Amino acid sequence: QSALTQPPSASGSVGQSVTISCTGTSSDVGGYNYVSWYQQYPGKAPKLIIYEVTKRPSGVPDRFSGSKSGNTASLTVSGLQAEDEADYYCSSYAGSNNFYVFGTGTKVTAL
Amino acid sequence: QVHLQESGPGLVKPSETLSLTCSVSGDSITSTSNFWGWIRQPPGKGLEWVGSVSYSGGTYYNPSLKSRVTISIDTSKNQFSLNLNSVTAADTAMYYCVRDVYGGIPHDVWGQGTKVTVSS
Repeated sequence: QSALTQPPSASGSVGQSVTISCTGTSSDVGGYNYVSWYQQYPGKAPKLIIYEVTKRPSGVPDRFSGSKSGNTASLTVSGLQAEDEADYYCSSYAGSNNFYVFGTGTKVTAL
Repeated sequence: QVHLQESGPGLVKPSETLSLTCSVSGDSITSTSNFWGWIRQPPGKGLEWVGSVSYSGGTYYNPSLKSRVTISIDTSKNQFSLNLNSVTAADTAMYYCVRDVYGGIPHDVWGQGTKVTVSS
């Protein structure tokens, strides 16, 4: 099972929007509406920010949003803040044999 | 509030078995709503799902690790454990224990992580 493909980096000015892509296959991203996104600060454990493609856990700001089209999922951070600088990982359910596969990770920089 | 805490040796010799335990507080490990799992992250690299165990003891493993991994639950201690045998330097990583809510909310609670180095 290969990792999902994400761009290594993404950046945007404070206040602007940045979108991160997550490309898989019909066996994972394209086959299930079970894509999730995680935010990780250096030296810290990841934090769930999006699940089931578009849903936000309680407490996650609504400037974080998710979407999916075909085999590619996306995370958009609207109104980018300095505190949004972090690594972001996507993940998808990949069936009963593989269960979960993660993306390669994207480092977001607020300019 | 649910809290997960990993524990175990920080240094393991090559070819030996890596053993970690995750203590759960604020939730019951026998809750039918949850799975419990392990995720690892090699230094400077991305996340890798290792495997999960259900409340009933059913297990699900990453195919690339399946031959070396065992995850089990201890209901009396509200804990679950990871055993990874025949380790090599490639198994050096931060190991996180996580909770998965059955039905679509994966890894909603994470432990702080424990660093394991494989070296002689």
